[in-house]
Amino acid sequence: DTAVSQTPKYLVTQMGNDKSIKCEQNLGHDTMYWYKQDSKKFLKIMFSYNNKELIINETVPNRFSPKSPDKAHLNLHINSLELGDSAVYFCASSQGRIYNSPLHFGNGTRLTVT
Amino acid sequence: AQSVTQLDSQVPVFEEAPVELRCNYSSSVSVYLFWYVQYPNQGLQLLLKYLSGSTLVKGINGFEAEFNKSQTSFHLRKPSVHISDTAEYFCAVSDHGGGFKTIFGAGTRLFVKA
Repeated sequence: DTAVSQTPKYLVTQMGNDKSIKCEQNLGHDTMYWYKQDSKKFLKIMFSYNNKELIINETVPNRFSPKSPDKAHLNLHINSLELGDSAVYFCASSQGRIYNSPLHFGNGTRLTVT
Repeated sequence: AQSVTQLDSQVPVFEEAPVELRCNYSSSVSVYLFWYVQYPNQGLQLLLKYLSGSTLVKGINGFEAEFNKSQTSFHLRKPSVHISDTAEYFCAVSDHGGGFKTIFGAGTRLFVKA
C-alpha cells in the first residue's frame, strides 16, 4: 500500500497552461504539505494544511493555489505556467500539528514547462 | 529563524569505507533534527531523528548521527558503506520558532564506488 501517492508522476506542458497535481495519504495523518525541489535538489516548503486549514503559506506566486477537500487529500493547482515552474513537486504528510513529527513523502511529480 | 547548512555537496567514497556527512544548524530555540535519504526518482524517506535524550541516534541501514549542541551539529555517519547507499542525503530541522515548518539543507550526494 502506497502511503503518500501523487498523480501524475510526470507532467509536461507548455507555458501559459493551467495544471493540477493531486495527492492522497492513507496514513491517517492530519497535516499535509507541498514542497518544491529545484534542479539543484534544494527543497523549499510551499504550503501546509492541518485538518483542511491552511497553516503555512510561503512566499509563492499566487498562480499556485492549494486545496484540501479533506485531511487525506491535498491538491495543487498552478495557473499560467512559466518556465521557472519546472521542478519536482513533493507532497508530504505528518502526524498531527507538532514540531517533532517526521515527514512522509510521496514520490514526486516532475513538472516540465516548455 | 532556523537554517541548515550541509557542508559538502558531494562525497565520493569507496565501498566498505566509513563515511561522515556533515550538517550544521542554527536556531534560537530547542530543535528537532532529522536526516532523510532520497534515492533516484523517489521521494525522501526518514533515516533517523533526534528529538531529545541520548545525543547518539541510530537509524535504518546502519546509519547513526550525533547531536552536538555546543557545535550546533548533527553529523551522519556509517562505518562501512555499500554501493546501495549511493543517494542524496538531506539534513533537516524544525523548531518551535519555525511555525511547524521543517527546513532542509541543500543535500549531500553520497557516491559509493566499487
